[in-house]
Amino acid sequence: DAKTTQPNSMESNEEEPVHLPCNHSTISGTDYIHWYRQLPSQGPEYVIHGLTSNVNNRMASLAIAEDRKSSTLILHRATLRDAAVYYCILRPTMNRDDKIIFGKGTRLHILP
Amino acid sequence: DSGVTQTPKHLITATGQRVTLRCSPRSGDLSVYWYQQSLDQGLQFLIQYYNGEERAKGNILERFSAQQFPDLHSELNLSSLELGDSALYFCASNANPGRQETQYFGPGTRLLVL
Repeated sequence: DAKTTQPNSMESNEEEPVHLPCNHSTISGTDYIHWYRQLPSQGPEYVIHGLTSNVNNRMASLAIAEDRKSSTLILHRATLRDAAVYYCILRPTMNRDDKIIFGKGTRLHILP
Repeated sequence: DSGVTQTPKHLITATGQRVTLRCSPRSGDLSVYWYQQSLDQGLQFLIQYYNGEERAKGNILERFSAQQFPDLHSELNLSSLELGDSALYFCASNANPGRQETQYFGPGTRLLVL
């Protein structure tokens, strides 16, 4: 499985944008990029995913580099509730089992 | 609330014992996944069931087993427990595996082996 690399931790101020980077230099052409996050004492939750084009949803935006070797999750206006571990994950397009391989993720701290 | 329920929320037991963790997937979801989260190993995929059949196996120990019942709920059985089995166990579900579908995670069962 292709691997992702994320910073161990990041800090941001409340109400400011946050850019969470992810490197995936060995990504294959059929791998989708997914982001999940895990709030304290909860199970992981889906944030966003994309293949080639940038994506937006109510939670965040995903910016994917043209060569697809890196991506950035953007939280437009961080709140204290966004403090969590953010996981960048690659998922093959057609995979019978669909298991998720989690890395260590980035622990995001939000400063009030 | 993801719609996935797990019981019990907490479990404390002794080494050598056997426990059963239960998961009810979201209504309509046919696929159930089990993950283990420990401090040293992070979140690891254990096993997946789809409509009652085992579909994928990850780093699941031979002492662990799972099944999915006709009503689609799933149970993870952990036997001959060791101290190192202390962890959070998450269940997730989705309807159509293999199509980039979101996995919806339950709140987890925290297992402590003493």
